[in-house]
Amino acid sequence: KAGVTQTPRYLIKTRGQQVTLSCSPISGHRSVSWYQQTPGQGLQFLFEYFSETQRNKGNFPGRFSGRQFSNSRSEMNVSTLELGDSALYLCASSDYLNTEAFFGQGTRLTVV
Amino acid sequence: AQSVSQHNHHVILSEAASLELGCNYSYGGTVNLFWYVQYPGQHLQLLLKYFSGDPLVKGIKGFEAEFIKSKFSFNLRKPSVQWSDTAEYFCAVNSLNQAGTALIFGKGTTLSVSS
Repeated sequence: KAGVTQTPRYLIKTRGQQVTLSCSPISGHRSVSWYQQTPGQGLQFLFEYFSETQRNKGNFPGRFSGRQFSNSRSEMNVSTLELGDSALYLCASSDYLNTEAFFGQGTRLTVV
Repeated sequence: AQSVSQHNHHVILSEAASLELGCNYSYGGTVNLFWYVQYPGQHLQLLLKYFSGDPLVKGIKGFEAEFIKSKFSFNLRKPSVQWSDTAEYFCAVNSLNQAGTALIFGKGTTLSVSS
């Protein structure tokens, strides 16, 4: 079956703009989590959605937000972009048993 | 707050050498433990996981890890590495006291294997 799909793969934005990233989970998975990966901080948990509700949230400012749709697809939004938001954003999906998180290829965001 | 510490940032080995990557976590409750691998240009993949039971778990590609509860450790091992094991390795924990799959990752260890 198809894996986790993230779009777009690459994105260049200007400081102050906002951006929306999309994630389509594996069919049947209802949990979607988002992570930020940077060389300095490594992989950091942003938030998790399950059945359209945010279940967990990491320690990121309110500029970072997300949502999940009834088909389990998820989007994350970053408003008022800063240079430090440049990172690889990873999405992961899990089934209801939460036994394993399957990761997508990520969206590489560059803020200039 | 939970945290995961990986002791080695970069490990360089020759093919056939043995590998051990250290991982310690700080959390007093019950946790699930994972090792993920990221090959160059590829997505994160699960190597192995520990939920309960036998503390020695075996994963894909000949990797294994041992959970030592008293030491809060979950070290990854492989008896004989191959050039194709060159990748970045991440240890992660997930608290059972928290619903969901929020993973706390270590900073990662880059493994370079020379042929």
